[in-house]
Amino acid sequence: AQTVTQSQPEMSVQEAETVTLSCTYDTSENNYYLFWYKQPPSRQMILVIRQEAYKQQNATENRFSVNFQKAAKSFSLKISDSQLGDTAMYFCAMGNGGGSEKLVFGKGTKLTVNP
Amino acid sequence: DTGVSQDPRHKITKRGQNVTFRCDPISEHNRLYWYRQTLGQGPEFLTYFQNEAQLEKSRLLSDRFSAERPKGSFSTLEIQRTEQGDSAMYLCASSPPPGYGYTFGSGTRLTVV
Repeated sequence: AQTVTQSQPEMSVQEAETVTLSCTYDTSENNYYLFWYKQPPSRQMILVIRQEAYKQQNATENRFSVNFQKAAKSFSLKISDSQLGDTAMYFCAMGNGGGSEKLVFGKGTKLTVNP
Repeated sequence: DTGVSQDPRHKITKRGQNVTFRCDPISEHNRLYWYRQTLGQGPEFLTYFQNEAQLEKSRLLSDRFSAERPKGSFSTLEIQRTEQGDSAMYLCASSPPPGYGYTFGSGTRLTVV
């Protein structure tokens, strides 16, 4: 069975600073994808960044980047120059590369960006 | 196309009543998913459609739950004889081929009283 673990229930960061959210996962698959989703309060879930497991290069999307350590099954999210609008729940998720691509989500990390 | 739409946004129902939710996916996406999210938890997979075919169902989806996607476009999720434990946010998502991630709707929040 696939599992995703987010060990930080809550984190806070000052505006303009950098924060890293942790995620570890477990799977026996070789072909899979990893995602970070953002869920602002009372708003819909938005895809932040995605990573193909077969790619060694870490994905980057503007201020968001990941540190993908395949051997360690670790997939952390780094947010640079944090903004107030980054305040949200962040979910790490894993999907298989074929078939249904149903996602397995972690329990989330609540990030608060303070002014 | 404005994304994935879900209706209603909120539903309060009495225990034992039936409820039905609707999801309109992004038109180019042939894959549609239903997830359930309870407070403080990540979303949990319920079921998945590729076009009109329901290809996978979670063990979470008891006999009281049924989902359809009759013409491969919109989907409905029905819960019969609702129980208080059914109270949750029901999320719909659609996606293109695997690996690109989902586009989620805003969800339907169900409260069973």
